[in-house]
Amino acid sequence: GNSVTQMEGPVTLSEEAFLTINCTYTATGYPSLFWYVQYPGEGLQLLLKATKADDKGSNKGFEATYRKETTSFHLEKGSVQVSDSAVYFCALSNAGGTSYGKLTFGQGTILTVHP
Amino acid sequence: GAGVSQSPSNKVTEKGKDVELRCDPISGHTALYWYRQSLGQGLEFLIYFQGNSAPDKSGLPSDRFSAERTGGSVSTLTIQRTQQEDSAVYLCASSPLPTGNQPQHFGDGTRLSIL
Repeated sequence: GNSVTQMEGPVTLSEEAFLTINCTYTATGYPSLFWYVQYPGEGLQLLLKATKADDKGSNKGFEATYRKETTSFHLEKGSVQVSDSAVYFCALSNAGGTSYGKLTFGQGTILTVHP
Repeated sequence: GAGVSQSPSNKVTEKGKDVELRCDPISGHTALYWYRQSLGQGLEFLIYFQGNSAPDKSGLPSDRFSAERTGGSVSTLTIQRTQQEDSAVYLCASSPLPTGNQPQHFGDGTRLSIL
């Protein structure tokens, strides 16, 4: 079955530091990959996505590249801000078959950014 | 525009009682998903609806859990004879199509606490 593994958290950084959150996956076929973010007191929001190998998703200064050869989708940001403090979830979904697009999530990584 | 709406936002009930959780998806979204977010288990898929039918109920943890969707719109998740392990945040999401590469739009969730 499908699975997603994220780096253990929590992650604590100073403002303007470089961020990497590792994500690897196991899946059949050719899944689509997502990063979702949950800000304090808010619901899950899509941060970025990539639907095929070598695609790069980007949004709000965050980037992630779909690497089929290493089954990875690591999240990066060059300079984090206090407002980036949140929980980040890596997720995948399969098109077609009996998967119906349901998401399989990683365990989430708590990011705290200090001024 | 309106997003996914869930009610109630918080529910506290006694063990053994039945509860109903409601989800109103984005208008025109045919696919609807329920997930559960708990401390020990992370984010887990529960059930998927396409229109009014539920082709995938594989994530429902026991026969105390059921869900329905009427008119291809509002969905209700019912938990009978609640147990303490049912305490979690129940999330609803919708997407235009269940094609796997469509991002899902999440509601803010219902926080369920079983005393």
